[in-house]
Amino acid sequence: DIQMTQSPASLSASLEEIVTITCQASQDIGNYLSWYQQKLGKSPQLLIHSATSLADGVPSRFSGSRSGTQYSLKINRLQVEDTGIYYCLQHYSAPFTFGSGTKLEIK
Amino acid sequence: QIQLVQSGPELKKPGESVKISCKASGYTFTDYAMHWVKQAPGKGLKWMGWINTYTGKPTYADDFKGRFVFSLEASASTANLQISNLKNEDTATYFCARSYRYNHPFAYWGQGTLVTVSS
Repeated sequence: DIQMTQSPASLSASLEEIVTITCQASQDIGNYLSWYQQKLGKSPQLLIHSATSLADGVPSRFSGSRSGTQYSLKINRLQVEDTGIYYCLQHYSAPFTFGSGTKLEIK
Repeated sequence: QIQLVQSGPELKKPGESVKISCKASGYTFTDYAMHWVKQAPGKGLKWMGWINTYTGKPTYADDFKGRFVFSLEASASTANLQISNLKNEDTATYFCARSYRYNHPFAYWGQGTLVTVSS
């Protein structure tokens, strides 16, 4: 199975700050990597697909990048509504695997 | 608009069975794959598997082989998850999620169904 190692586990940042969350895949998954935001008590929402493409309706302050088997989600100009838990997902090979999640809080 | 609407919360005893439904609307049901994802209380997301809505063929992750069954009522644009012989560790919120092809991102999610297993 492909392991997705996500870091950090939690993050506290100020408004307007820039934050970065990373996922390291245990093997090549190409661009079969997506990012999700889950707010408390809600279902996950797709933010980024194909490692770097912004999903419809997602603010442009979110961006994704890839370097080899390391994938990053960057949030520019952090806003209050960005609070939540962020997950990466590899859907290259079954069983699909999520990262362990990053809890983002606003200071 | 595209919607996945899941059935309501369930309270079950160990050993019982439960069936969760996920009704799709706003698109052609058989054109998209349907996945199931488990989230135990306070925990992360775990992919359970998916069902080919065109052929009805299910694929299960190893941890979900045996007591878990994915099925369809295609005429009603509904995907179902049945769990038999419930255990305490099945207590979780279960989500359905749609993807264009089985290995595509999960662009739409149901609202989740909480299953509580308690004696």
